[in-house]
Amino acid sequence: DAKTTQPPSMDCAEGRAANLPCNHSTISGNEYVYWYRQIHSQGPQYIIHGLKNNETNEMASLIITEDRKSSTLILPHATLRDTAVYYCIANAGGTSYGKLTFGQGTILTVHP
Amino acid sequence: GAVVSQHPSWVICKSGTSVKIECRSLDFQATTMFWYRQFPKQSLMLMATSNEGSKATYEQGVEKDKFLINHASLTLSTLTVTSAHPEDSSFYICSALEGALVYGYTFGSGTRLTVV
Repeated sequence: DAKTTQPPSMDCAEGRAANLPCNHSTISGNEYVYWYRQIHSQGPQYIIHGLKNNETNEMASLIITEDRKSSTLILPHATLRDTAVYYCIANAGGTSYGKLTFGQGTILTVHP
Repeated sequence: GAVVSQHPSWVICKSGTSVKIECRSLDFQATTMFWYRQFPKQSLMLMATSNEGSKATYEQGVEKDKFLINHASLTLSTLTVTSAHPEDSSFYICSALEGALVYGYTFGSGTRLTVV
């Protein structure tokens, strides 16, 4: 898996958009960008993943730069329940799923 | 969606005893399951990868004789911590990879192991 780099922590006001950046400058062509989050003392929860194009689901949006060296996870209207550790992972998904390697992630704190 | 059930959610055991943790995929068949360990304020560390019907592949530094993994069916994998010691106290999390690759990786809710 390509190495990813995330800021250790971020703050966000409730109701505002939370934009979490991730650098993955060595990502290879077959590696997807996955985002998971972990709320305290729980297992990681899948958020979204993408290869090249921007993706959106009911939880978040994923913006991947054209050169694929970085991406941003957007939580459009953060709530207190979005306070968690967010992990960005590069992984060869599709037909060649491998093991997920977790970095240190970003601790997102949403405050009132 | 895909659901992975992990049991127990917490366990306290005496030093020297063994503890078994179960990981079940409830609504899909998991060809591959992963076991992670997480110490306080640290990230998840992969311990081993198991494929149904074959031996697990352990990450470097993980003692395979201490952490026994069995993946006897497409819906069940177990992790047994043998002769547990206080330093084995940790949060153990399993992940299942759905064979049809529709849902990808799904994680269990984790097991808090405390060895006293």
